[in-house]
Amino acid sequence: TQLLEQSPQFLSIQEGENLTVYCNSSSVFSSLQWYRQEPGEGPVLLVTVVTGGEVKKLKRLTFQFGDARKDSSLHITAAQPGDTGLYLCAGGTSNTGKLIFGQGTTLQVKP
Amino acid sequence: DAGVTQSPTHLIKTRGQQVTLRCSPKSGHDTVSWYQQALGQGPQFIFQYYEEEERQRGNFPDRFSGHQYPNYSSELNVNALLLGDSALYLCASSRYTGNEKLFFGSGTQLSVL
Repeated sequence: TQLLEQSPQFLSIQEGENLTVYCNSSSVFSSLQWYRQEPGEGPVLLVTVVTGGEVKKLKRLTFQFGDARKDSSLHITAAQPGDTGLYLCAGGTSNTGKLIFGQGTTLQVKP
Repeated sequence: DAGVTQSPTHLIKTRGQQVTLRCSPKSGHDTVSWYQQALGQGPQFIFQYYEEEERQRGNFPDRFSGHQYPNYSSELNVNALLLGDSALYLCASSRYTGNEKLFFGSGTQLSVL
């Protein structure tokens, strides 16, 4: 069974602080996606990484895929209250459309 | 361009009842996947439909069934509802070309009393 473990599960920080969310597995994934979900809404895709060691930046968000394609991290610089939400990592296996999600990290950024 | 639409948005049922949830995929998409998201958890894959057939299935009992219509819209049916079926049910659409980029709807919040 493929599992993705996210850490931490909860994070409450002040505006302007930096943070990193981790997503780890013992399985290899063909791709790793990061989503953000707000209450009452579906997840919205932030980024997809497919190559081991790949780094992608999206404004203040930096995503990295591990060299062995088993883990990933999301780093947010100078967090803003608008970054508050549930962050989910999801691993893809081949081209099936089936994603394995982590349990999510709830981020709260206080003004 | 309408995204993925789901109906209803909220639903309350009692144990033992049956429920049908509906999903219209994003324009240009031919594949629909259904996910169950319990409170405080990540979504779990239920099944995927393409060309009106179930192509893949997650670890869910036969009480969960689905259908896809020629216009690519889809339904999720759950029979003999249990309290543990209470969750947000998400529909996601994509193209069956190997692109794993999914677009999610806002979900149907099902409460089983």
